[in-house]
Amino acid sequence: AQTVTQSQPEMSVQEAETVTLSCTYDTSESDYYLFWYKQPPSRQMILVIRQEAYKQQNATENRFSVNFQKAAKSFSLKISDSQLGDAAMYFCAYRSQLDRGSQGNLIFGKGTKLSVKP
Amino acid sequence: GAGVSQSPSNKVTEKGKDVELRCDPISGHTALYWYRQSLGQGLEFLIYFQGNSAPDKSGLPSDRFSAERTGGSVSTLTIQRTQQEDSAVYLCASSLSSSPGYEQYFGPGTRLTVT
Repeated sequence: AQTVTQSQPEMSVQEAETVTLSCTYDTSESDYYLFWYKQPPSRQMILVIRQEAYKQQNATENRFSVNFQKAAKSFSLKISDSQLGDAAMYFCAYRSQLDRGSQGNLIFGKGTKLSVKP
Repeated sequence: GAGVSQSPSNKVTEKGKDVELRCDPISGHTALYWYRQSLGQGLEFLIYFQGNSAPDKSGLPSDRFSAERTGGSVSTLTIQRTQQEDSAVYLCASSLSSSPGYEQYFGPGTRLTVT
């Protein structure tokens, strides 16, 4: 079974600075998707960025980028120029690329709470 | 268009009572997922629907939990004889397809408190 581990329960960053959130995962599959979700106090999970395992190039979405190390099974999220609105829980998630028809769920880590200091 | 909606937003119930949680997916989304988020934990998969059928019920924690989906749209998660350990946020997500490449869109969740 696949597992996702986020080793940092809480992180803090100064506004306008850069912060990196860590995520490792365990799988025997070679094809899969990885995601970072943001959950603000409103509770609604928002997709921040996704990475297909077969792509070597790291995904980037504006101020958000990932460092995907497939061999090390590591998938960290870098937030540049941090803003107050970035404060939230961040969850790393895994999804198998195999379309088995009955296993489409996301597997989540326990999350990292990010605080942004003004 | 409207996103995924869930009701109620918050629910407080006494131990032993039954509760129903509702999810309205995005129109046209055939796949629907239920997750549970306990305090300090990540999201735990409960059940998934493709259309009205639930091919994967493996995450339901006990036989007190059941779910249905009618008309390929609204889904209801029912918890019978609630226990204090059922207290959590229950999140629903929908996607155009259950195929892995399709994004899941989440609702705001229902916070269930069992007293």
